[in-house]
Amino acid sequence: DIQMTQSPSSLSASVGDRVTITCRASQGISNYLAWYQQKPGKVPKLLIYSASTLQSGVPSRFSGSGSGTDFTLTISSLQPEDVAAYYCQKYNSAPWTFGQGTKVEIK
Amino acid sequence: QLQLQESGPGLVKPSETLSLTCTVSGGSISGSIYYWGWIRQPPGKGLEWIGHIYHSGGTNYNPSLKSRVTISVDTSKNQFSLKLSSVTAADTAVYYCARGVGTWGQGTLVTVSS
Repeated sequence: DIQMTQSPSSLSASVGDRVTITCRASQGISNYLAWYQQKPGKVPKLLIYSASTLQSGVPSRFSGSGSGTDFTLTISSLQPEDVAAYYCQKYNSAPWTFGQGTKVEIK
Repeated sequence: QLQLQESGPGLVKPSETLSLTCTVSGGSISGSIYYWGWIRQPPGKGLEWIGHIYHSGGTNYNPSLKSRVTISVDTSKNQFSLKLSSVTAADTAVYYCARGVGTWGQGTLVTVSS
C-alpha cells in the first residue's frame, strides 16, 4: 500500500508568516490528493482537492501544489484562526490513506 | 444541502461488534458517483480511513482492519452502515461517515469498555 508522509509534524509561526506543509506519497498518485483542516473538537474541513483546487468558501491564502509523489499546502499569511491540525489524504485508489498530520500553532 | 448523520451505541463491550449507521439527507446514495465511507480518530490521534462502499455495493477496506470490517448500504433508507467485530480498547474513537472526500458527518464517539 502507498504510504503518505507529512512534514513537519508540528510547527510554530508568527501571524503573517508564510507556512508550508509537505506531503509525500511512497508511489505516484497523480493529483488525487486532498488537504483537510481540523480545529480542536471539530470535524475535519476540506480545504483543497485534486492537489490544487480550492474548495468553495476556503480563504485564498490557502493553496496546494504538486503531482505524482510530492505535494505542498501553503498558507500565504498565517492568521490566528488557522491554528489547527492539517492532514493530507490520497484517493487515487484504496486505501484512501491519510498523512499523520501537522499541528500548526502561533508563535 | 447534503448532510450525513452517524448513529449508534456510544459504548461497546470488548470482543463485541460495533455497529454504526450513517443517514444521508439532501441527496441520494442510489446512483451517486461518489463513494460513501467511514473514517475514525482515536482521542488525541490522527485520522484513519476505515473503508468505503459504492451505491452498487462494491467495497474497499483498510487492510489493517479488513478482517473485522463490513460496510453495507441500504439505498431504500438512504443509509450505509459500519460493523467492526471483536473490538478492543484500541477501537475507541470518534467515527465519521463521509461522502467521497468532501462532506463529513459530525462524528460519534464510540468507547470500548466493559
